[in-house]
Order: sequence, then structure tokens, then C-alpha cells
Amino acid sequence: GQQVMQIPQYQHVQEGEDFTTYCNSSTTLSNIQWYKQRPGGHPVFLIQLVKSGEVKKQKRLTFQFGEAKKNSSLHITATQTTDVGTYFCAGPTNGNKLVFGAGTILRVKS
Amino acid sequence: GAVVSQHPSWVICKSGTSVKIECRSLDFQATTMFWYRQFPKQSLMLMATSNEGSKATYEQGVEKDKFLINHASLTLSTLTVTSAHPEDSSFYICSATLGVLRPQHFGDGTRLSIL
Repeated sequence: GQQVMQIPQYQHVQEGEDFTTYCNSSTTLSNIQWYKQRPGGHPVFLIQLVKSGEVKKQKRLTFQFGEAKKNSSLHITATQTTDVGTYFCAGPTNGNKLVFGAGTILRVKS
Repeated sequence: GAVVSQHPSWVICKSGTSVKIECRSLDFQATTMFWYRQFPKQSLMLMATSNEGSKATYEQGVEKDKFLINHASLTLSTLTVTSAHPEDSSFYICSATLGVLRPQHFGDGTRLSIL
């Protein structure tokens, strides 16, 4: 079945440093979605990318969707303590279902 | 918009008890809701897709008689963990979407602890 791989599993950065998480699908995706889950919380939708090669920005967050629509990345510039949490990518499968990546846990040292 | 409410947020009960978890879409109608299970520091694992007015679709390896799902209205889906045992302890989260290929909106989750 479809698989979504995500790396790294864990990253611990100093506040102000950049952070990137990468997502790779075994199949071409119609779209890719990113979610953030704070410790003890639930996943919150961040963004959806649809077009090949698409790049979207949300303040310090930059999201990219690969040309082949099989990979994606999330880059955070100058991390802050509020960025702490787990970032998941997810791709649709069998209609409305989502397959989630393993997630990248981000910890920020102040 | 697209608010999903889940209740209860936290349950502790004895082994053998059945536990019902509710998932409501507060400001939209959801013909489809999803139930996930998440272990500590792990990803979300889809358990089943809840379809309004019809039977739920369960993922491979999920016992439908163990995890009963009812989606009786366009705004409410329930998950009942029947005869729960300690191995059923987990974080259960529901989600709903406004349409096909649209983002999912998650409830706050339910932390279930079976003693």
C-alpha cells in the first residue's frame, strides 16, 4: 500500500536556528498536507499543496511540493520556542483517507 | 469554521468496561469522519472511516466488534471500545473533513487508560 516516509524522526535545535523536515511518498500524490501537533495536543492543519513544484510561505514557514509530486519539505527559519511540536506530512489515499508520515519531533532550546 | 469537538478528553476505567467516545462537527456537516489511534511519540494510525447512515469501514487489523462505530447523524460519530483491556490504552482522535481531498479537522482527542 501507499507509504509516506518522513525524516528526521527527531531534531533538537537552538532557538534561532533553522529546521527542515522532509517527506517522501511511494506514489504520486494529488496533494500533500502538513499538520502540527503540540505536546499533549491534537494535530492542527497547517497547509495543503496541490501543484507540482508549488512553494507556499506562512511567516517563517516555507512549504515545498516536489516537481514529481512525490516529495515535500517544511522549512522553519529562525526557530522559536513556540515552534515546538511534532510536524506531520500526510497524503491522500483511497479517496478521502490520509496516510500520515511518522512525524518529526522538534525541540527548541532557548 | 470547521470545529470538531471530542468528548470525553480523558477516561480512566477498569478492565472489562466499555467506553464511548463522541465526535461532533460543531459548525459543519460531515458525511465522513475518521477515527485514529496514536501511541506516545508515534504517528496517527487510521482505525476506521465513519460514514453517515451506513456501516463504518475498518482498516486491516482493526476488530470491528471491539471498536464499534456509529455515525447516526451528519454531526455526530461515536466510537465505543467494548470490554476494554490495558492494551487498549491509547490516545484516540477523531477528525472530519469538509469534502473529498480537503484537509482534516481534528478533535482534541481522548486519552484512554484502562487499569
